[in-house]
Amino acid sequence: DSGVTQTPKHLITATGQRVTLRCSPRSGDLSVYWYQQSLDQGLQFLIQYYNGEERAKGNILERFSAQQFPDLHSELNLSSLELGDSALYFCASSASPTARGGYTFGSGTRLTVV
Amino acid sequence: GDSVTQMEGPVTLSEEAFLTINCTYTATGYPSLFWYVQYPGEGLQLLLKATKADDKGSNKGFEATYRKETTSFHLEKGSVQVSDSAVYFCALSPLGNMLTFGGGTRLMVKP
Repeated sequence: DSGVTQTPKHLITATGQRVTLRCSPRSGDLSVYWYQQSLDQGLQFLIQYYNGEERAKGNILERFSAQQFPDLHSELNLSSLELGDSALYFCASSASPTARGGYTFGSGTRLTVV
Repeated sequence: GDSVTQMEGPVTLSEEAFLTINCTYTATGYPSLFWYVQYPGEGLQLLLKATKADDKGSNKGFEATYRKETTSFHLEKGSVQVSDSAVYFCALSPLGNMLTFGGGTRLMVKP
């Protein structure tokens, strides 16, 4: 157990729908990062939050949004889902706002869009 | 921009063979370098890291040396086991906020 908790582990939904993925960071960590892992794109950075504020944005689609709440858990919202959004979505956390020390990953949410 | 290039897999070895997975990078400044491992059905786990030139990271028999002159961070292990079968990712953290990952290299170790 890495200490980073992601729910749900698996999600199957239809095209056009909206889903919410949840992440609880490791105790004491203030930064949360979201990544998408697909077979053709590898690991793609989506977005980072630090202590409730958006800190960095990567290749995140406009249909996707995220937020970090006062208790530091984070949610990634995916809307108007397409078949191509099927992937593993990972959350990671770190204590500092930068990644120079690395970060700790959760076990991921596997999203299947049918 | 910053990028990481890893050797393509799969790499198939017999148990107790020597392992090398090549990793080279492009980055401005002096990034930290990492190797992560992903076992089937799991998230990524930090295997080792190095934060400055000539540092050697090591863990569980794996090691990698930060070579600034060749912009490389090759992963090595002297004797692999079946339990080492996994996907290995090289990554870097420049002065910015996030890790940039290579494409991953699948290692398969046969008994």
